[in-house]
Parts: sequence; C-alpha cells; structure tokens
Amino acid sequence: DTEVTQTPKHLVMGMTNKKSLKCEKHMGHRAMYWYKQKAKKPPELMFVYSYEKLSINESVRSRFSPECPNSSLLNLHLHALQPEDSALYLCASSQPKRGETTQYFGPGTRLLVL
Amino acid sequence: GESVGLHLPTLSVQEGDNSIINCAYSNSASDYFIWYKQESGKGPQFIIDIRSNMDKRQGQRVTVLLNKTVKHLSLQIAATQPGDSAVYFCAETSNSGYALNFGKGTSLLVTP
Repeated sequence: DTEVTQTPKHLVMGMTNKKSLKCEKHMGHRAMYWYKQKAKKPPELMFVYSYEKLSINESVRSRFSPECPNSSLLNLHLHALQPEDSALYLCASSQPKRGETTQYFGPGTRLLVL
Repeated sequence: GESVGLHLPTLSVQEGDNSIINCAYSNSASDYFIWYKQESGKGPQFIIDIRSNMDKRQGQRVTVLLNKTVKHLSLQIAATQPGDSAVYFCAETSNSGYALNFGKGTSLLVTP
C-alpha cells in the first residue's frame, strides 16, 4: 500500500486568511515531503521531514509553516499568502534513505489565493 | 537559465503505436532515476525506476533506458493507449540527498 491522502482537494483563501493543508500516509515510510507545482511545471521541493524532524527547508518563505505532529501526519500551515502562491501543493512519502528511494505522491491540494 | 514558457513539449501518437519520451540530465552524480505519470488534476504516479548500475529496465508495457555517457534517459511505452495520455516527468537523485530533481515534463497525447 503506497497511499498518501491529502485534504482538502481544493482551497480558496484570501490574503489575510490562515489555513492548513493536511497530508496522511498509510504506510511505514518515515520521510515526508511538501512540493509546490505551478501549471505546466514540474514539482518544486519545499520541505523534507525525516523521522518527524525537519531536515530540509528549501528557503521557503515564512508564510508557509510545516508541521509533523506524528509519523503519519504532515501539515502545511498557510498565513498571509500572495496570489502567486496559488498552485497545486503535493505531499509525498518515502523511506528515509538518501538516494535510491521512490517518493510516492498524494493527489494534491489545489490552492487559489485571492 | 530556465526558459519561462506556458507550453510543455508535446508528443502526439496514435493509439497502438509505441511512444518514446526523452529526458536529459546534467548531474553526473545522479544514481537513481524515476519516471512519473501525472494525469490532469492528480499527483504524480510512479511508473518505473532504474539505478545507475543498469542501462535498461522493463515493466508492464514500459521500458526505461539509461545512457550515462550522454546523461540521457528515455521511457518507451508499447502499444500506447488513450489512458496513457498524461504529462510524464523524469526525476533523478543522488546518494547525497533526499531531493528529487524533476525534468520539465512531456505531454503525451494519444489519439484514437
């Protein structure tokens, strides 16, 4: 079972709102990822968690705040976003091993910032 | 630098034909490669992977070829079906990190 689920599927928010994206994995992977994907572009890595600890932050602006409350859940808290932050936000999981490990993606949350 | 464009490279094939999607990479330290399929409105779906100690790997209707000399990766899809229509991304990583580096993607359109 390689399933990763994400909620909500769609989200519309204003620039002053605070919202959260949720990701849940249903397998024994201990590495989790957040990616941002703009239309017709490849996914761009934002954060990596390994064993529930943040190991990579790809210089993401502070209006995005990740959280890993346990080994199955990953959240992305959003605050004071800009319209250019509108994108598909993807969660993925893998074995916590550098290199040679497949990342499995969830369906994504499509975010629109007005 | 990366060109900014609104259009993905597109490959159009007829149903039943074979498809070949190509990908070039630049990092000579890359040692693991993955092909993903992304249908509209969905997340990337794993298709097949290959390690750098191999030059060919076959799955069901798909074959991945790796040429490390010229840093080139290809995905061959046999007897392409309408359900194969999607954007295909190659991705690579190395032993030094977690990050997957994605290629720009190719849009495959299968016509009946």
